[in-house]
Amino acid sequence: EAQVTQNPRYLITVTGKKLTVTCSQNMNHEYMSWYRQDPGLGLRQIYYSMNVEVTDKGDVPEGYKVSRKEKRNFPLILESPSPNQTSLYFCASSFSQIGDTGELFFGEGSRLTVL
Amino acid sequence: GESVGLHLPTLSVQEGDNSIINCAYSNSASDYFIWYKQESGKGPQFIIDIRSNMDKRQGQRVTVLLNKTVKHLSLQIAATQPGDSAVYFCAEKAGNNRKLIWGLGTSLAVNP
Repeated sequence: EAQVTQNPRYLITVTGKKLTVTCSQNMNHEYMSWYRQDPGLGLRQIYYSMNVEVTDKGDVPEGYKVSRKEKRNFPLILESPSPNQTSLYFCASSFSQIGDTGELFFGEGSRLTVL
Repeated sequence: GESVGLHLPTLSVQEGDNSIINCAYSNSASDYFIWYKQESGKGPQFIIDIRSNMDKRQGQRVTVLLNKTVKHLSLQIAATQPGDSAVYFCAEKAGNNRKLIWGLGTSLAVNP
């Protein structure tokens, strides 16, 4: 089954404790992206990657890191989480650059709470 | 389920009726538009897309209309079903810009 898998789905952590949210897709997609979703603010892009070893900042990259060492994986790293990073996070992938194929496939989301 | 937004515009329809969800966009250079559906507790799911060289595109029970003159996009759902209850997002992209610009969403509630 074609899917984007995120882990963990739910996490409660404390300020400053490094964490990683993993994302894996099994569709051989080149494009991957991370979004955060907050009430009243909609979906905001954090980082995206056009291919292996190619990453770029989205609209709200501060406080986050990503890596793309393999095509299928695109982990999101919070080196020192803060309460303002409490949010619902989505990983997404697409076969090619948005606009060429159109369809972004989203994971089920990771609900992160930073105390 | 998880709330994806507070104070979202809400459209309430009766089961079997047609639904029309509207979206205004601001960038006249936008040339590609997408509609996504997000059910409670899930990630957004692609519904349909349209390019600016088209005014209308139809899918299964859904139709997207694009009016470039007034920068307006709409999603029409025929014979709305309870399973259509969700938040619907429009998104736009301009030219070579690699980013999608997302709307804040509209909540659709289908009454049985």
